[in-house]
Amino acid sequence: DAGVIQSPRHEVTEMGQEVTLRCKPISGHNSLFWYRQTMMRGLELLIYFNNNVPIDDSGMPEDRFSAKMPNASFSTLKIQPSEPRDSAVYFCASSTGNTIYFGEGSWLTVV
Amino acid sequence: DAKTTQPPSMDCAEGRAANLPCNHSTISGNEYVYWYRQIHSQGPQYIIHGLKNNETNEMASLIITEDRKSSTLILPHATLRDTAVYYCIVRTTSGTYKYIFGTGTRLKVLA
Repeated sequence: DAGVIQSPRHEVTEMGQEVTLRCKPISGHNSLFWYRQTMMRGLELLIYFNNNVPIDDSGMPEDRFSAKMPNASFSTLKIQPSEPRDSAVYFCASSTGNTIYFGEGSWLTVV
Repeated sequence: DAKTTQPPSMDCAEGRAANLPCNHSTISGNEYVYWYRQIHSQGPQYIIHGLKNNETNEMASLIITEDRKSSTLILPHATLRDTAVYYCIVRTTSGTYKYIFGTGTRLKVLA
């Protein structure tokens, strides 16, 4: 079975540019999570969706960040404009309601 | 969700059992204990979970104390590939839920 698929795996962008991270959850999973990981702050939950509806976005750092889930098989996390402090690994995860399964992450560097 | 406390790091000799403790003294009756691990540069990987009873699978065993205030993850025969950060998480079994990751235990398996 294919796991959670994220793209791009690595991105380097200049400050001020828009960044879009993509996620395809495991087929049949109805919950989707976006996490961010840095050395300083560890693994932080940004937002999660249930049946394509955002349930809790209290972890989204600020208005520059937005997430969408237009259908059950696709989600995006957008940063506009990006800043160097956004440099991190962004993980997407999905679940049927119990165990969550993570993708391999998108490594973002903003210079 | 209840908070968890784990030692920041541990060493274990290859071939020996690795016993990773977790304190969750404020756990509620409807909260599961989950264990994940993160090998460098990869997404967190599910290991095992339990509610009251001890659990075992092909990866590990989970021992939960009778009062449920602490648990131990046991890797019966640690290998070098088990070197990773291990996270203990508690989460509710009902309603909306979040997986909140702490700082985990960095396990180093020594040859």
